[in-house]
Amino acid sequence: GAGVSQSPSNKVTEKGKDVELRCDPISGHTALYWYRQSLGQGLEFLIYFQGNSAPDKSGLPSDRFSAERTGGSVSTLTIQRTQQEDSAVYLCASSKVGSKVEKLFFGSGTQLSVL
Amino acid sequence: DAKTTQPNSMESNEEEPVHLPCNHSTISGTDYIHWYRQLPSQGPEYVIHGLTSNVNNRMASLAIAEDRKSSTLILHRATLRDAAVYYCILRDGHYGGSQGNLIFGKGTKLSVKP
Repeated sequence: GAGVSQSPSNKVTEKGKDVELRCDPISGHTALYWYRQSLGQGLEFLIYFQGNSAPDKSGLPSDRFSAERTGGSVSTLTIQRTQQEDSAVYLCASSKVGSKVEKLFFGSGTQLSVL
Repeated sequence: DAKTTQPNSMESNEEEPVHLPCNHSTISGTDYIHWYRQLPSQGPEYVIHGLTSNVNNRMASLAIAEDRKSSTLILHRATLRDAAVYYCILRDGHYGGSQGNLIFGKGTKLSVKP
C-alpha cells in the first residue's frame, strides 16, 4: 500500500510569503505528526494529531505556524509570513493507534527554502 | 520519556558487523526501546524495538542488557546502503495507543566504507 505522501517535495518562497505544506497519511492511521529538520540537525517536534482529540501544539515555534487535519486524514501545515530561519525539511509521520508499540511511518518531507 | 545517549558517529567497513550502542540508565520498567534510522534525504524509518529479550528481524538485531540500562543495535553485515543516522528512543508502553511526541535525539551517524 501507499506510504505517507507529502507535497510539494520542494518549495522555494520569498520572505514574507505564506506557504502550505500537505501530508497524506497512511489510510487508517489516526495519529499524525509534523516535525522539522534544519540542515545537519535532529528532528524538532511541531504538532501532533490523534483522532478527535485536541492537537498537541506544544512544538510550534511561533504563532506564524498552524496546522489542521481535515476529516481525520489529510493535514496541512501553514507558515505565514515566512522567514529565512523557517528554511528546513518538514517531515510528516503517521501511526496506527491500538498497541503498546507505536511505529511511526514518515514521508520523504518537504524541503522549504525561504529566500 | 527517559533520555538516551549515543555516540555521535561510527565507522564500519562494508560486509562487517556493526554494533551501535545506546545507554538509557534511567529507563523505567514499562519503557520499550525503539530504533529508527534516517537515510540521506529521507524521513526516518522504523528498524526494530524490544522490551527485555533480544530481538531479531530482517533488518537488524537488538541486544538488550540484563539490567536494561543499555542496548545495542546489531547490523550483521553492513552495506553501503546502511549508511544513515541511527536513533535510539524510549517509549512508555504502559499506556495503550498513541503517546504523542516521539523525541528524537541526535543519533549516531554511521559511515560505511567500501
